[in-house]
Amino acid sequence: DSGVTQTPKHLITATGQRVTLRCSPRSGDLSVYWYQQSLDQGLQFLIQYYNGEERAKGNILERFSAQQFPDLHSELNLSSLELGDSALYFCASSGVGGGDPDTQYFGPGTRLTVL
Amino acid sequence: AQKVTQAQTEISVVEKEDVTLDCVYETRDTTYYLFWYKQPPSGELVFLIRRNSFDEQNEISGRYSWNFQKSTSSFNFTITASQVVDSAVYFCALSDLNRDDKIIFGKGTRLHILP
Repeated sequence: DSGVTQTPKHLITATGQRVTLRCSPRSGDLSVYWYQQSLDQGLQFLIQYYNGEERAKGNILERFSAQQFPDLHSELNLSSLELGDSALYFCASSGVGGGDPDTQYFGPGTRLTVL
Repeated sequence: AQKVTQAQTEISVVEKEDVTLDCVYETRDTTYYLFWYKQPPSGELVFLIRRNSFDEQNEISGRYSWNFQKSTSSFNFTITASQVVDSAVYFCALSDLNRDDKIIFGKGTRLHILP
């Protein structure tokens, strides 16, 4: 168990809808990363937050947004969903929660299916 | 432009053999991070290593070792005395420290360790 939790585990929705994926980092970790893994695009980095501030931005679509809250949990919001948004979404955390601060600890992922 | 190439799409070796996974990267920047991640058949992602471009020393962790060579823009990963549990998809990635910190992934190498 990495200590990173993601909810929900599975999500099935329709095109055009909006969903929110939630990530709780390891206790004490300040950084949260979001990744998307799909058959078409492979593994992609979306965005990183550090202690509430956006730190790095990857291939995140304008229809997607994220934030990190004062309690350090993070949410990834996906709107106007398209079939191509179907993917596994991983969250990871790193920082001072114990162990190597550079190591990223991954959650189990949220599988999003857009019908 | 930044790019990560994992030319080996799929590799099969017999248990106890050594195997090297190749990773070649392209970047114009002088400061960057290189990463390796593992994704076993169960689907979770596991962070293996992050290496700073200033540190060209090889890294060894148990049966795993990494060879970083700036001269050939390579960051190869070797598993010594492979085990069936090493069967997974392995991803190499690059992150630029001076530009936008986004992480670029290779397409992955699927490793089969045969008993």
